[in-house]
Amino acid sequence: EVQLVESGGGLVQPAGSLRLSCAASRFAFVSYEMNWVRQAPGKGLEWLSSISSSGATIYYADSVKGRFTISRDNAKNSLYLQMNSLRAEDTAVYYCARTRIAAFDYWGQGTLVTVSS
Amino acid sequence: DIQMTQSPFTLSASVGDSVNITCRASQSISSWLAWYQQKPGKAPKLLIYKASFLDGGVPLRFSGSGSGTEFTLTISSLQPDDFATYYCQQYNSYSRTFGQGTKVEIK
Repeated sequence: EVQLVESGGGLVQPAGSLRLSCAASRFAFVSYEMNWVRQAPGKGLEWLSSISSSGATIYYADSVKGRFTISRDNAKNSLYLQMNSLRAEDTAVYYCARTRIAAFDYWGQGTLVTVSS
Repeated sequence: DIQMTQSPFTLSASVGDSVNITCRASQSISSWLAWYQQKPGKAPKLLIYKASFLDGGVPLRFSGSGSGTEFTLTISSLQPDDFATYYCQQYNSYSRTFGQGTKVEIK
């Protein structure tokens, strides 16, 4: 079955940076759009960014535009999220997810990012 | 950006009840709407895509309808496993925003 495994979360100070990774397996990663979604403690889901299968097309939510950068390495079956200028309100569980027919059909288990001094 | 508004925020129901959750888009999204179920501490699970298509393995008591700006998720004959939070999500050219969620609680 499709597997998505996030890593790279942890505790970071305000204004710091962190890079999340999502390792994909058991499907043709190169053929799918991929996404990052987060969920702050006790809150709802927030879409952050999407990247096309080739990496040529990228979209961001306004809340992270200019601070976060999505990228992918199709040779390594990996998705990334570079997060800069982190704020307390970026504290959340971060999920990667695959797009199929305009929906997110597979999700990772999530990685927790805590922004605190 | 397209905004998604779900109602109600919470819903109290009993096993066996039929429940409806509504999702409204701030502009037309054709049928590009998905529904997800999330349980505490777990990743969301896709239930319905393209407004009315059931994802594989999803029980037939779940159904979706609507197009344009108004959509509905119906759960007929609520089961104990269905008590969870449900989210709608739109998918358009530039964004993929979620509704704020509807928590279905046991009455």
